[in-house]
Amino acid sequence: AQSVTQPDARVTVSEGASLQLRCKYSYSGTPYLFWYVQYPRQGLQLLLKYYSGDPVVQGVNGFEAEFIKSNSSFHLRKASVHWSDSAVYFCAVSASSNNRIFFGDGTQLVVKP
Amino acid sequence: DMKVTQMPRYLIKRMGENVLLECGQDMSHETMYWYRQDPGLGLQLIYISYDVDSNSEGDIPKGYRVSRKKREHFSLILDSAKTNQTSVYFCATPGTGSYEQYFGPGTRLTVL
Repeated sequence: AQSVTQPDARVTVSEGASLQLRCKYSYSGTPYLFWYVQYPRQGLQLLLKYYSGDPVVQGVNGFEAEFIKSNSSFHLRKASVHWSDSAVYFCAVSASSNNRIFFGDGTQLVVKP
Repeated sequence: DMKVTQMPRYLIKRMGENVLLECGQDMSHETMYWYRQDPGLGLQLIYISYDVDSNSEGDIPKGYRVSRKKREHFSLILDSAKTNQTSVYFCATPGTGSYEQYFGPGTRLTVL
């Protein structure tokens, strides 16, 4: 079975600083990996996805993530955060063998002005 | 773009009342999902529907049932709602030929 661990429940950074949100997954096969963002009182929006190929994938609004198979990780990065990036970020994993996505518990990002 | 709608957006019910949450999608996709989200717990899968009248329990189906009579619509039903079913409920459906899921805006249910 698949599972996802997001070790940081809350991350606070200053506007303009760089960001890394950590994600580790558990799955023995080839995973499909996702990052979602949730703004207050809204549904989850897909930020980026990794299926295969280049392990560094680009998403919207300057976000990127790197798939490191040896470390079972898929950390999210951004070079310079903006106050509007404050939200909850979810890492998720899926397998080709089922129709399920397994989500981490989320990391709340707070960007200080 | 995939569009998932949910009605109502906010709902307050008393314990013991029946609750009907509705979800719609505009792409006639076969698979649809219901999740609930509670603070600090991420998303928990309640039910999956693979097509009309083809539904499967997720991880937390107890206290819920679903109905899918048309491919575009997927309903979540709480018979005799309980206070611990107060939560935010999300419906989702995959994109065509892909593994990611697209979510509706959610229904915030309060059971008093």
